[in-house]
Amino acid sequence: EAQVTQNPRYLITVTGKKLTVTCSQNMNHEYMSWYRQDPGLGLRQIYYSMNVEVTDKGDVPEGYKVSRKEKRNFPLILESPSPNQTSLYFCASRRQAANEKLFFGSGTQLSVL
Amino acid sequence: TQLLEQSPQFLSIQEGENLTVYCNSSSVFSSLQWYRQEPGEGPVLLVTVVTGGEVKKLKRLTFQFGDARKDSSLHITAAQPGDTGLYLCAGGRGGSNYKLTFGKGTLLTVNP
Repeated sequence: EAQVTQNPRYLITVTGKKLTVTCSQNMNHEYMSWYRQDPGLGLRQIYYSMNVEVTDKGDVPEGYKVSRKEKRNFPLILESPSPNQTSLYFCASRRQAANEKLFFGSGTQLSVL
Repeated sequence: TQLLEQSPQFLSIQEGENLTVYCNSSSVFSSLQWYRQEPGEGPVLLVTVVTGGEVKKLKRLTFQFGDARKDSSLHITAAQPGDTGLYLCAGGRGGSNYKLTFGKGTLLTVNP
């Protein structure tokens, strides 16, 4: 089954404790992206990757890092989480061409205390 | 700056009613996508429209892209409880990212 898998689904942590949210896709997609979804603000892009070793900032990259060492994986790293990073996070992937369908993971609900 | 405005933000109707959700912008988009998101899940693509004036139908859902490619609408006929969810429009623009800009969504509740 074609899918984007995120882990964990739920995460509660404390300020300053480094964490990684994993994302993996099995569709051989070149493009992968991270979004955060907040009430009243909608879905905002954090980082994206056009292919292996190619990443770039989205609209709200501050406080986040990503890496793309393999085509299938695109982890999101929070080096020093803060309470304002409490949010619902989605990883997504698609083929490279324009207008292609974005496949989303099921989300990671992060709470930073 | 919110490039895509969706209205209404919330909509609660009875089963069998018709409804229209709007997605408006002052910017031109190369394409417009509609997604539906259910609680606890990621958004799922419903349709992509790319040509000004284009109309696409998906069972009881009708999607239209404005002639100037700045706006879109989603019309649901005879809504059912299974249509309940968050409807998101997303405008696509050219460039290396082919970035999608999402609206804030319309939360639809269809009561039996």
